[in-house]
Amino acid sequence: KAGVTQTPRYLIKTRGQQVTLSCSPISGHRSVSWYQQTPGQGLQFLFEYFSETQRNKGNFPGRFSGRQFSNSRSEMNVSTLELGDSALYLCASREQGIHTGELFFGEGSRLTVL
Amino acid sequence: GQNIDQPTEMTATEGAIVQINCTYQTSGFNGLFWYQQHAGEAPTFLSYNVLDGLEEKGRFSSFLSRSKGYSYLLLKELQMKDSASYLCAVFPSGSARQLTFGSGTQLTVLP
Repeated sequence: KAGVTQTPRYLIKTRGQQVTLSCSPISGHRSVSWYQQTPGQGLQFLFEYFSETQRNKGNFPGRFSGRQFSNSRSEMNVSTLELGDSALYLCASREQGIHTGELFFGEGSRLTVL
Repeated sequence: GQNIDQPTEMTATEGAIVQINCTYQTSGFNGLFWYQQHAGEAPTFLSYNVLDGLEEKGRFSSFLSRSKGYSYLLLKELQMKDSASYLCAVFPSGSARQLTFGSGTQLTVLP
């Protein structure tokens, strides 16, 4: 079974631009979560989607948004990029209904904002 | 809210035993996870504790005390490949359930 796939793996943007990141979960997983990872803050929760609906949202500004499609693939968008948005963005999927809630992570999209 | 604390860095010698501690304060509790993350790679699941006690899985063991808000990850017979960041994460109860991570402990295994 293929793992969580994220694209692109690396990208460079400039301040003020916007970026869209894509995530394909493990087949059969309907829940997709997004995290931002930086050296100073660690893994910070952005949002979680299930069946095309946002279920939970972390404490990030409205510039960060996401969506999920009917095939469970998810995208996140960051508009009006700031230098502080430079980070590794991790997507994770899990099987709904499994009590452990174990998350399976992709390798991430590393965003650099210049 | 959630507050999860773990040491920032630890160093140990190949073949030794190391214990990585994690303390947490959360609004409800529905399980504690440990993940391993090698540099430049995705975090991978190591263990899950929801009841008090020790869970053993090969060279790795994880302990939980819910009354103390405390967990540790025990790594035995350390190998060079165990050099990685170890992330403690708590799954709170309630409607806003998302896995909340500590900042991670960077373990360096020396020869």
